[in-house]
Amino acid sequence: KNQVEQSPQSLIILEGKNCTLQCNYTVSPFSNLRWYKQDTGRGPVSLTIMTFSENTKSNGRYTATLDADTKQSSLHITASQLSDSASYICVVSEDSNYQLIWGAGTKLIIKP
Amino acid sequence: NAGVTQTPKFQVLKTGQSMTLQCAQDMNHEYMSWYRQDPGMGLRLIHYSVGAGITDQGEVPNGYNVSRSTTEDFPLRLLSAAPSQTSVYFCASSSSVFNYGYTFGSGTRLTVV
Repeated sequence: KNQVEQSPQSLIILEGKNCTLQCNYTVSPFSNLRWYKQDTGRGPVSLTIMTFSENTKSNGRYTATLDADTKQSSLHITASQLSDSASYICVVSEDSNYQLIWGAGTKLIIKP
Repeated sequence: NAGVTQTPKFQVLKTGQSMTLQCAQDMNHEYMSWYRQDPGMGLRLIHYSVGAGITDQGEVPNGYNVSRSTTEDFPLRLLSAAPSQTSVYFCASSSSVFNYGYTFGSGTRLTVV
């Protein structure tokens, strides 16, 4: 069964610190992987997209990595800010259809 | 540009009532979809449309109907509301079914009592 699992479920860090969120998937055949940021009470917003051949992609202070062999991805946030408080969702698309498999998300809280 | 607009933002229904959640986009996107988001779970696809006049079922379509008479609008109808449909509903659109960079609306929080 195609699944996307994220860890940790929630994370609290101090402002200015770095953190790494994990995503493991069993989706096959794999097409691409996205990370979304979802602020409380809002819809998700795309941060990065990675295809099979990409290992690393950055978007400002956000850096996503992908290891297609081990089916793992991570999202690293550098020098966290209060505005980074949100849920971060990993989404994997299967190559054989148009549908996406969504992770349950990691809730990140940045404390001053 | 308004992007994707969902109305209403909040709604309380009684069991058995029907209602329509509205979704409109002004980006001329061909692909539109409806998701529900429940605590501790990933977003689940309810229905989607790859263009005007074309709709299809997603992962959890039971109890919901959709239509796509125009490119801009994609309403979601709850036929007979049940407590299990209490959720946050998101509408999303993209330029094509192959473009997974969805633009989401801000959601409708629905409570069925």
